[in-house]
Amino acid sequence: AQTVTQSQPEMSVQEAETVTLSCTYDTSENNYYLFWYKQPPSRQMILVIRQEAYKQQNATENRFSVNFQKAAKSFSLKISDSQLGDTAMYFCAFMKHNEGTYKYIFGTGTRLKVLA
Amino acid sequence: GAVVSQHPSRVICKSGTSVKIECRSLDFQATTMFWYRQFPKQSLMLMATSNEGSKATYEQGVEKDKFLINHASLTLSTLTVTSAHPEDSSFYICSARLASSYEQYFGPGTRLTVT
Repeated sequence: AQTVTQSQPEMSVQEAETVTLSCTYDTSENNYYLFWYKQPPSRQMILVIRQEAYKQQNATENRFSVNFQKAAKSFSLKISDSQLGDTAMYFCAFMKHNEGTYKYIFGTGTRLKVLA
Repeated sequence: GAVVSQHPSRVICKSGTSVKIECRSLDFQATTMFWYRQFPKQSLMLMATSNEGSKATYEQGVEKDKFLINHASLTLSTLTVTSAHPEDSSFYICSARLASSYEQYFGPGTRLTVT
């Protein structure tokens, strides 16, 4: 069975600084998807970034980028120029490719606080 | 695009009663909808997967007779918590998937409090 581990329950970063959130996963699959979701105090789940495992290039979305190391089964999220609005819970998620149900497996989350 | 709504956003009910939560995909047809439960400061736990027109598939440990799921149309799924108890108090989140996509779009969640 697949598992997703986020080893940092809480982190803080100064506004405008850079922070990296870690995520590791365990799977025997070769094709899969990885995601980072943000859950602010409103509790709405917001997709931050996605990565297809077959793509070697790391995904980037504005200030958010990932370091995808397939062999190491690592998928960290880097937030550059942190903003107060980045304060939220961040969940890493795994999904098998071509699996009929397309289920997410979520990590336990990292609570990020951006300090003014 | 890809907006999912939930109703109600908050509900308080008495122990022993039933409560229904609706999940709607507003601007797309969702062949598959998912129901999650989230306890305070914890991750999302998948409860069940529902496909339009067929019975829901429940995750291990989730009581299907207690958490009734109906996915009668391509835009609406409902979760009914039957004979609610205080331990059912939680945050319930739904998500919906486009037929042509693997990605899920999340609703804003429903906070259920059972007194």
